[in-house]
Amino acid sequence: NAGVTQTPKFRVLKTGQSMTLLCAQDMNHEYMYWYRQDPGMGLRLIHYSVGEGTTAKGEVPDGYNVSRLKKQNFLLGLESAAPSQTSVYFCASSSGTSAYLQETQYFGPGTRLLVL
Amino acid sequence: GQSLEQPSEVTAVEGAIVQINCTYQTSGFYGLSWYQQHDGGAPTFLSYNGLDGLEETGRFSSFLSRSDSYGYLLLQELQMKDSASYFCAAHNYGQNFVFGPGTRLSVLP
Repeated sequence: NAGVTQTPKFRVLKTGQSMTLLCAQDMNHEYMYWYRQDPGMGLRLIHYSVGEGTTAKGEVPDGYNVSRLKKQNFLLGLESAAPSQTSVYFCASSSGTSAYLQETQYFGPGTRLLVL
Repeated sequence: GQSLEQPSEVTAVEGAIVQINCTYQTSGFYGLSWYQQHDGGAPTFLSYNGLDGLEETGRFSSFLSRSDSYGYLLLQELQMKDSASYFCAAHNYGQNFVFGPGTRLSVLP
């Protein structure tokens, strides 16, 4: 049981390049999330998904796209990377059993992205 | 808009008790979580309050007051390994989460 995994762990891009970050979870969770964390700051929600085939915008969605074709995978795409997207990206998942019950988010180890 | 406020830094000594406060202003709020993050690591879940009052989990306790839009995390019997950043996170309807800016806790010997 690996929990939440992220690929790659580290990447350097040039401005204008594109890339896809992969998140996978083996806990059969319904909900998945992508966050970015800048130095000394909290996590900001980029996009999230409440089930296979669904996606929704979070707090800072501009410049990113996502897809949830399979329940266990949540992909984050950068079509044209900018230096402002230099950050650590965390993926998380939660079971989504009920809005009124404890909703623990399980986080992946993070992807460090540097855009030059 | 949606926002949460926390103190940026807290310092305490081993064995002491420390309280980290969180005030929130969000729409569709239904609960408050707390996460711990060590430098270079991923956030890990500590506690959740879906109802007003105190929740206790070992050395950690968390409190929520909806009428005051306020919560806190209480850490007892502090240990060196508790040095980390602590984030409160508001749960909103639609499974949308908003995290606070984090409080860096330094535990001194």
